[in-house]
This record gives sequence, structure tokens and C-alpha cells, in this order.
Amino acid sequence: EPEVTQTPSHQVTQMGQEVILRCVPISNHLYFYWYRQILGQKVEFLVSFYNNEISEKSEIFDDQFSVERPDGSNFTLKIRSTKLEDSAMYFCAGGTGPEAFFGQGTRLTVV
Amino acid sequence: GQNIDQPTEMTATEGAIVQINCTYQTSGFNGLFWYQQHAGEAPTFLSYNVLDGLEEKGRFSSFLSRSKGYSYLLLKELQMKDSASYLCAVREGRQAGTALIFGKGTTLSVSS
Repeated sequence: EPEVTQTPSHQVTQMGQEVILRCVPISNHLYFYWYRQILGQKVEFLVSFYNNEISEKSEIFDDQFSVERPDGSNFTLKIRSTKLEDSAMYFCAGGTGPEAFFGQGTRLTVV
Repeated sequence: GQNIDQPTEMTATEGAIVQINCTYQTSGFNGLFWYQQHAGEAPTFLSYNVLDGLEEKGRFSSFLSRSKGYSYLLLKELQMKDSASYLCAVREGRQAGTALIFGKGTTLSVSS
């Protein structure tokens, strides 16, 4: 069964550095999402992407964040100038209907 | 504002039935979702309700009452592998691909 895949599984970065988290959605998915989960806390919505543009974003998704689908398959989340509080699990998700199917996540640690 | 409430922890015994409740207050409603999340892993989709009533899928069932802002997830014939966090989530927006708003999750511990 096809899965949403994310790379890397774990990334450690220094505060102030830029990171790019990558996701390969399932080929027939139409809607794409990024969520994050700080350790011990709830899953939080960041942004949704449809038809090659952002369809919704949360208050968390400020100018520090950007998303792209550069080649029609990969879906990336860029975090500029990372902060300690950006340390979290970042999940990519996708779907064709109401459900969202999650990738295994990238654990981002900012030191 | 958005408010999704579920119990923090529950315990149950192998073979038993457990009901995990979720109440929600959101500005809009376009479906309620249940996800399972094992520690350190991604949420896995379990069920989706948009109309009132019970949806059954194997050992798992989910119920929705929109007028009461209430849902429950019913797990039957509990197994040790069911020990996980169960997340209730609501979609507020009418447009396709809008956000899921998650509750804090209920950690279920199944013992033998």
C-alpha cells in the first residue's frame, strides 16, 4: 500500500539556520498538509496546499515558513532562521477526500 | 474559538470494551475524525463521521451527535497493541483540504 514518505527522519540544526523538510505524497493525492507536534503536545495544523497554492494556513505559519511543490511530486516545508521552539515532529499529510493520511514525520531538533 | 476536549488517560483490560469521548466547540463543522497514534509514530486514520449516528469498522466504531457537539470512539475486544493515544479532530472549513483541529489525545493503556 503506498505511503506518504518524508525525509529526513531526523534533522538536527543550529539555531538560526534554514532547514528544508521533504515529503513525497501519494501520487493521486490532491490535498497536502503540514502539521507539527511538539513533544508531549497536540498535533497542530500549519498549512494546507491545493492546486499548487496555499489554501489555508494557521497563525503558526508565519513569514518564517514557506511551502513549495517544486517538481509536481515533492512537497517541501522550509523553515528560515530556526528557533529553539521550532523543535518538534513535523508531519506531512495528504488525501483525496476528507481524510488526511500522515507520513512518518521528521523529527527536527534545533540546538 | 476552538475547543476539543477528551480525557487525558484511560486504562482497560485485554478483551474488554472501552469508550473514548470527545466534545467539541468549533466555529464550523465539516466532519469529525479519529486517529490512533502510537508513541513516536505518526497518526493513523481510524474513522470519519460527518452525519449523526454510528459508523462501524471492525473492532472500532465511532458515533457523532452534531447537536450535542459530541463523539465517541468505541473499541471492542481490546488487544495489547491498542495501547496508544487516540486523537479526536474536527474539520471546521467547508472547503476541501482545510485544517484538522486536533484535541490533546487520550492515552489508552491496555493491560493483560
